[in-house]
Amino acid sequence: KAGVTQTPRYLIKTRGQQVTLSCSPISGHRSVSWYQQTPGQGLQFLFEYFSETQRNKGNFPGRFSGRQFSNSRSEMNVSTLELGDSALYLCASSQTGGSGYTFGSGTRLTVV
Amino acid sequence: GDSVTQMEGPVTLSEEAFLTINCTYTATGYPSLFWYVQYPGEGLQLLLKATKADDKGSNKGFEATYRKETTSFHLEKGSVQVSDSAVYFCALTLASGGSYIPTFGRGTSLIVHP
Repeated sequence: KAGVTQTPRYLIKTRGQQVTLSCSPISGHRSVSWYQQTPGQGLQFLFEYFSETQRNKGNFPGRFSGRQFSNSRSEMNVSTLELGDSALYLCASSQTGGSGYTFGSGTRLTVV
Repeated sequence: GDSVTQMEGPVTLSEEAFLTINCTYTATGYPSLFWYVQYPGEGLQLLLKATKADDKGSNKGFEATYRKETTSFHLEKGSVQVSDSAVYFCALTLASGGSYIPTFGRGTSLIVHP
């Protein structure tokens, strides 16, 4: 069974640009969550999608947005990039969430 | 709010030593508890879980027991290997409107020397 696939693995962008990250969950998993991981802040929850609807949102500015498609694939977008957005962005999927999440390998975003 | 506190790392051990990584939690209800492991350059992997008090989760020689009276879920392994070197995250989930968003601890880095 294929795992959670995130693309691209690495990305370098310039301040002010925007970026779109992609996540393909495990087949049959309808819940997709996104996290930002940095050495200073640890793992911070961005948002969760379930059946194409945003079900929960973390405490991030409106520059961070996401969506989920009918096949459960999800994308997150960050507009007007700032240096502080440099991080590892992790996607996780679950059937119900209560039994735990399966994470992808992440997208390492560097903003210069 | 709900929170998870882990011991600060790094934890440095020799191969075959006994491992304990402490984790305590604060929650308004009855959470499920998890340990995740992150190897360098990878995402998190679910290591083990426990869903109710006194449950013991175990996997790959690692164990953790859900202790409601002390609100703890300490991770243990009897004999660590170099390949166990990684960052370990304790997490809790509580149901909220059908959602189970995990709350993670800050992570504890484990370094095992040959």
